[in-house]
Amino acid sequence: GIQVEQSPPDLILQEGANSTLRCNFSDSVNNLQWFHQNPWGQLINLFYIPSGTKQNGRLSATTVATERYSLLYISSSQTTDSGVYFCAPQGWRNAGNMLTFGGGTRLMVKP
Amino acid sequence: EAGVTQFPSHSVIEKGQTVTLRCDPISGHDNLYWYRRVMGKEIKFLLHFVKESKQDESGMPNNRFLAERTGGTYSTLKVQPAELEDSGVYFCASSYGRGTYNEQFFGPGTRLTVL
Repeated sequence: GIQVEQSPPDLILQEGANSTLRCNFSDSVNNLQWFHQNPWGQLINLFYIPSGTKQNGRLSATTVATERYSLLYISSSQTTDSGVYFCAPQGWRNAGNMLTFGGGTRLMVKP
Repeated sequence: EAGVTQFPSHSVIEKGQTVTLRCDPISGHDNLYWYRRVMGKEIKFLLHFVKESKQDESGMPNNRFLAERTGGTYSTLKVQPAELEDSGVYFCASSYGRGTYNEQFFGPGTRLTVL
């Protein structure tokens, strides 16, 4: 199956700083989702982004499917951005549409 | 619009007992998925329903796990008998459409502890 690597595994930021999270995957994908897992464990949808660039407020994401990576940008970080960020592509070989999750990036934003 | 709901939020059982988890998908979503995260590991796919049919159950760990989706609405995941290594968080997700690559929305999860 598809392999997913996220970096960095841990990140500490001062409030107001910017950051870039990276997701590398080993095979062609039909879809890719980014999630934020909040302190209560809920997986919050951030982006559905098989290719191209999308923006939502202070967050944006870019997927370059041909080079097998996706980036999540967080600008002007806030303490509420803390949590774990997961990348989850859907490999095109998967007829069942399952998502394959990376190990996540644990982000802590300090006030 | 209500999101994906799961019940119970927490369950603590003894090894060898049976537990049944329930998931109610977003109304109108034909696709329903189960995933789980056991301690120290990544979130892993278990199975996928399209309406009441199992589309892909390649992630089910063994025959102690039984998933059903009668009538194509809510789904249950039964673990019988539970083992210590089954402890973790069980997530349910749903998406709209059949056979296409749609955005999946996740429930809050059920935290299962097997003692």
